[in-house]
Amino acid sequence: RKEVEQDPGPFNVPEGATVAFNCTYSNSASQSFFWYRQDCRKEPKLLMSVYSSGNEDGRFTAQLNRASQYISLLIRDSKLSDSATYLCVVAGGGADGLTFGKGTHLIIQP
Amino acid sequence: GAVVSQHPSWVICKSGTSVKIECRSLDFQATTMFWYRQFPKQSLMLMATSNEGSKATYEQGVEKDKFLINHASLTLSTLTVTSAHPEDSSFYICSAYTGASNQPQHFGDGTRLSIL
Repeated sequence: RKEVEQDPGPFNVPEGATVAFNCTYSNSASQSFFWYRQDCRKEPKLLMSVYSSGNEDGRFTAQLNRASQYISLLIRDSKLSDSATYLCVVAGGGADGLTFGKGTHLIIQP
Repeated sequence: GAVVSQHPSWVICKSGTSVKIECRSLDFQATTMFWYRQFPKQSLMLMATSNEGSKATYEQGVEKDKFLINHASLTLSTLTVTSAHPEDSSFYICSAYTGASNQPQHFGDGTRLSIL
């Protein structure tokens, strides 16, 4: 079983739509959870951290379910610029190496 | 914000060449830096954890004699791919840990290595 699993997509959605991504992780000892965004041939950039209480940053909402070892990302009112690969990332702690999912490819269509 | 500079961004060289990649934290001190590798359509995979002043910790399956890591200062870590072969062609990315729990790591721009 892979450590971090994501649906690779691609997800093709029209501009303005709401889209949700899911991710599961296998290591129950994981402590930190993040969503990163990676554009083609670029380095990954932190989108947001994920907390058990859920957190929101503008059009983006992330949630964590520790019992089910499940992480989600919701994007509302999607923009063309949201087109990218979204990486689900878990870590054991602050100074631990990150474990990346393969990413979910999102394409926003005009 | 925290900036990590990685150099070079693109390398093309012949099989058997050794290639050194530098990773610098420009405006903060990083006691820990990480090296990742990403093959096409694959996820980033952690290769090794580099701690300033000590030996790097390599992930399972990563040859330490092949991928030499040096973290001689709090702002610089280097990865040397020794006697590179075509199968070493990949996207190599470093990251540095700032110490802030809400900002896990800052990534360099990555190095695209192509071995002919």
